[in-house]
Amino acid sequence: AQSVTQPDIHITVSEGASLELRCNYSYGATPYLFWYVQSPGQGLQLLLKYFSGDTLVQGIKGFEAEFKRSQSSFNLRKPSVHWSDAAEYFCAVGEGNTGFQKLVFGTGTRLLVSP
Amino acid sequence: GAGVSQTPSNKVTEKGKYVELRCDPISGHTALYWYRQSLGQGPEFLIYFQGTGAADDSGLPNDRFFAVRPEGSVSTLKIQRTERGDSAVYLCASSLGGRAHTGELFFGEGSRLTVL
Repeated sequence: AQSVTQPDIHITVSEGASLELRCNYSYGATPYLFWYVQSPGQGLQLLLKYFSGDTLVQGIKGFEAEFKRSQSSFNLRKPSVHWSDAAEYFCAVGEGNTGFQKLVFGTGTRLLVSP
Repeated sequence: GAGVSQTPSNKVTEKGKYVELRCDPISGHTALYWYRQSLGQGPEFLIYFQGTGAADDSGLPNDRFFAVRPEGSVSTLKIQRTERGDSAVYLCASSLGGRAHTGELFFGEGSRLTVL
């Protein structure tokens, strides 16, 4: 079975500082990989996705992620964090047989932004 | 609005009662999904519909859980004989289906179920 590990439960970053959220996955073939953000009172929103091709993918709100097959990682980055980025971030992998209809999520990383 | 709508947003019930949770997807989205998010966990897949039929219900935990989508739009998740362990936020999502699927799921805000 596939699994996703997000080792950091909470991360605090100063506003304007850079951010990296870690994600490791377990899957035999090339996975479909996703990052979603969950803000209070809002539904989960897709930040970016990786299916194939260029291993550095750009997303919305200035986020990017890099797929590293050798490390089974798909870390999320942002060069300068804004207070509005405070939220919970989920990494997910799509099951191969069904593509991306069935997602396996990590446990999430809560981002706190300090002034 | 034009997003995924879920009702009720909050439901408190007693152990053993029957509960229905409703999801109204984005217009034109043929695929619909139910996930469950327990406290401190990521969403967990329950079931996926393509049109009116359940294409994958492998995530339903047991036969107390059932979901329908009779006309290929609105879906209802039904939970019989609720247990305290069913307490969670139930998330619904929709997407384009088939070859039009871009990989993005559009989630509603969820229905928070509390079983006393």
